[in-house]
Amino acid sequence: GAVVSQHPSRVICKSGTSVKIECRSLDFQATTMFWYRQFPKQSLMLMATSNEGSKATYEQGVEKDKFLINHASLTLSTLTVTSAHPEDSSFYICSASMGGGGQPQHFGDGTRLSIL
Amino acid sequence: TQLLEQSPQFLSIQEGENLTVYCNSSSVFSSLQWYRQEPGEGPVLLVTVVTGGEVKKLKRLTFQFGDARKDSSLHITAAQPGDTGLYLCAGAPGTASKLTFGTGTRLQVTL
Repeated sequence: GAVVSQHPSRVICKSGTSVKIECRSLDFQATTMFWYRQFPKQSLMLMATSNEGSKATYEQGVEKDKFLINHASLTLSTLTVTSAHPEDSSFYICSASMGGGGQPQHFGDGTRLSIL
Repeated sequence: TQLLEQSPQFLSIQEGENLTVYCNSSSVFSSLQWYRQEPGEGPVLLVTVVTGGEVKKLKRLTFQFGDARKDSSLHITAAQPGDTGLYLCAGAPGTASKLTFGTGTRLQVTL
């Protein structure tokens, strides 16, 4: 149980393109979803927390106009990287939680974004 | 900002050896989780510890939460090549579900 599907797994596109990444909880309702960014050989860096039906909470230093997050339902959150540039190339990972303190996060398999 | 420092950062050992990974913080966490991540994949939850002093075992892996709930350790007995990966601890500061991830320990087990 507690499966999270992330799509696409890999994206290669030209600079200036906007890219949408989907995160779906397949067998549970995710009150809260999280978006992380991971650079090579480093740990996960939280970008934002999204709760269904409300605006996402962004971590310090993360541009909300650059990384648009929509959490329209209890099973789907999307991250759109707008006007992507090579420095946005990274591994983006989402996770979903049933909410509440101590609830584990279940992670998707990540999206490798490469901007040429 | 709550920081979780893991040590060592990188460990290369031979099959059959034992190892311990440490996760330390100056902050108290209501719970702490350990994940393993393989290249190109998302982290997979191994265990959650919530009580100070708690010890949990998962086959050859033993997890311990410090008495003061500020630190944790992961001990692997008789490591196997399949244990290779990035090990991440992550702490939940309170009732919120947001996690703070540790700096990570990259383990390589060779034959």
